[in-house]
Amino acid sequence: GQNIDQPTEMTATEGAIVQINCTYQTSGFNGLFWYQQHAGEAPTFLSYNVLDGLEEKGRFSSFLSRSKGYSYLLLKELQMKDSASYLCAVRDRDYKLSFGAGTTVTVRA
Amino acid sequence: IAGITQAPTSQILAAGRRMTLRCTQDMRHNAMYWYRQDLGLGLRLIHYSNTAGTTGKGEVPDGYSVSRANTDDFPLTLASAVPSQTSVYFCASSVVGGGGSNTQYFGPGTRLTVL
Repeated sequence: GQNIDQPTEMTATEGAIVQINCTYQTSGFNGLFWYQQHAGEAPTFLSYNVLDGLEEKGRFSSFLSRSKGYSYLLLKELQMKDSASYLCAVRDRDYKLSFGAGTTVTVRA
Repeated sequence: IAGITQAPTSQILAAGRRMTLRCTQDMRHNAMYWYRQDLGLGLRLIHYSNTAGTTGKGEVPDGYSVSRANTDDFPLTLASAVPSQTSVYFCASSVVGGGGSNTQYFGPGTRLTVL
């Protein structure tokens, strides 16, 4: 099984940078995903890491260190619309995802 | 392109009643999943199916059953609903195998209240 930890809440100012950390313990790692979920909506895919290093996608970047069981999601140039929950999910070798409880990010003007 | 649809959008159900949540995808994904999402607990996998005709149990399967008669549909049935099954239910689908990220894509969810 998987044990996935991420902070419950974070607050940042519009235009700033926020880093959401995720640590995991896994039996059979096969990739790590980040999803964004606005209140009352479905999770939407943000990023995927399977090898160590940084993946950059516009204002969002995700980093993975498999040896440390650690990932982070970096949100740059924060906008009000980035206020949402961010879900870290680890995939096992059967392609099943285990999710962390999510980090609620609040962007303030 | 609809992606994944779920029905109903929301439902209030009396305890002890039988209920089937519907999920249909038009992306020809071979794998489908059912999750429940509860405050503070995140998304938890109920059942999954990696291909039509096969199903498997996830983290919290008790009280739920699924079937996968074809590629597109993956209904979730609560045989006799209990209040602890009050939750938001999300269906998801993905391609499994064949390389690539095999990302799971989620339906809009069904909000179920059991009284």
